[in-house]
Amino acid sequence: GDSVTQMEGPVTLSEEAFLTINCTYTATGYPSLFWYVQYPGEGLQLLLKATKADDKGSNKGFEATYRKETTSFHLEKGSVQVSDSAVYFCALSISNFGNEKLTFGTGTRLTIIP
Amino acid sequence: ETGVTQTPRHLVMGMTNKKSLKCEQHLGHNAMYWYKQSAKKPLELMFVYNFKEQTENNSVPSRFSPECPNSSHLFLHLHTLQPEDSALYLCASSPVAGGVRNEQFFGPGTRLTVL
Repeated sequence: GDSVTQMEGPVTLSEEAFLTINCTYTATGYPSLFWYVQYPGEGLQLLLKATKADDKGSNKGFEATYRKETTSFHLEKGSVQVSDSAVYFCALSISNFGNEKLTFGTGTRLTIIP
Repeated sequence: ETGVTQTPRHLVMGMTNKKSLKCEQHLGHNAMYWYKQSAKKPLELMFVYNFKEQTENNSVPSRFSPECPNSSHLFLHLHTLQPEDSALYLCASSPVAGGVRNEQFFGPGTRLTVL
């Protein structure tokens, strides 16, 4: 079945450090890929997405590129801030003509220290 | 109210209790979802409703009973739960169920503890 594997946390970085959170997937078709973020006490919010190979999703300084050859969608940010502390979820979705659902990874907790 | 709201935010119940979780979306969406978020496990999709009709039941035990009276409201009725059911229960909505460009919007969740 379809699955998402992302690096286990927690990840702790200093402010202005470079961030990479790895995500790889297994899918039988051609998925769309997503990163969701969950801030403390809140629900998940879509951070960025990519719907086909070689697409790059970006938002709030975060980027991820859909790499079909390596089945990966790694999340990167050049300079993290304390406000980026949250749990990040990689997810995939395959369109099945109206019966679509998201498959999530386990989440990676990120803590940024000043 | 805007977005997706969930009540209560926290719930503690005994195994013999009956309680309900409520979700309301103010986005004009037609699809609503229940997810279970447990520590160190991926989010588990439980139920999907599209235009008030249940389109997905992901092998959820019958002690969880969903209800969708209209496209804006979704309930999860709980009875005779087990301690392993303790988790964060998230509600989400999207314009419709299906279509890769339909972003799901999540509520803040209900933290459920079963004693």
